[in-house]
Amino acid sequence: DAKTTQPTSMDCAEGRAANLPCNHSTISGNEYVYWYRQIHSQGPQYIIHGLKNNETNEMASLIITEDRKSSTLILPHATLRDTAVYYCIVRTHNNAGNMLTFGGGTRLMVKP
Amino acid sequence: GAGVSQSPRYKVAKRGQDVALRCDPISGHVSLFWYQQALGQGPEFLTYFQNEAQLDKSGLPSDRFFAERPEGSVSTLKIQRTQQEDSAVYLCASSLQGYNEQFFGPGTRLTVL
Repeated sequence: DAKTTQPTSMDCAEGRAANLPCNHSTISGNEYVYWYRQIHSQGPQYIIHGLKNNETNEMASLIITEDRKSSTLILPHATLRDTAVYYCIVRTHNNAGNMLTFGGGTRLMVKP
Repeated sequence: GAGVSQSPRYKVAKRGQDVALRCDPISGHVSLFWYQQALGQGPEFLTYFQNEAQLDKSGLPSDRFFAERPEGSVSTLKIQRTQQEDSAVYLCASSLQGYNEQFFGPGTRLTVL
């Protein structure tokens, strides 16, 4: 699976949009971009995933560049409960066991 | 409904002891994964089951680590002769099928003294 690069940490003001970037310049055509987050002392939690098109769900939006070499996770109105480590992961969708390959992630601190 | 549960939540072991960590996946989930998370790092894959079959154990760090899922539901990760470097959070995740969304348990924090 392709490697991803994320900033180590970011701050965001409560109520503002949090934009978390991820570089995946070696992504291949059949690899999806996934985002998980891990709140302190909890297991990781799925947020969203996409292949080429932008995606939106109740938690976040995912913007993937046209060349698919980078993406941005957007939390439109960050709350204090969004403080967590956010992991950008690329993976294929074959039916074999697709483990998740986590990097270091971005530690997002939402401040009042 | 019930999510993935793990027990115990915390385990302290003396170096050289054997430990067993349990994972109860979401009912009906075919795939089950174990990950190890050292302090300040992202989780790292250990092993994967599809039903009762262990299809990938490439991430197990040594032959002291052993995992089983005999009836295709509950899984146990066993670590023999624990070492200090085994101290970590051990996370279990399950999914409906191989590449579907993985649901994680809260983890077991193992401390080896």
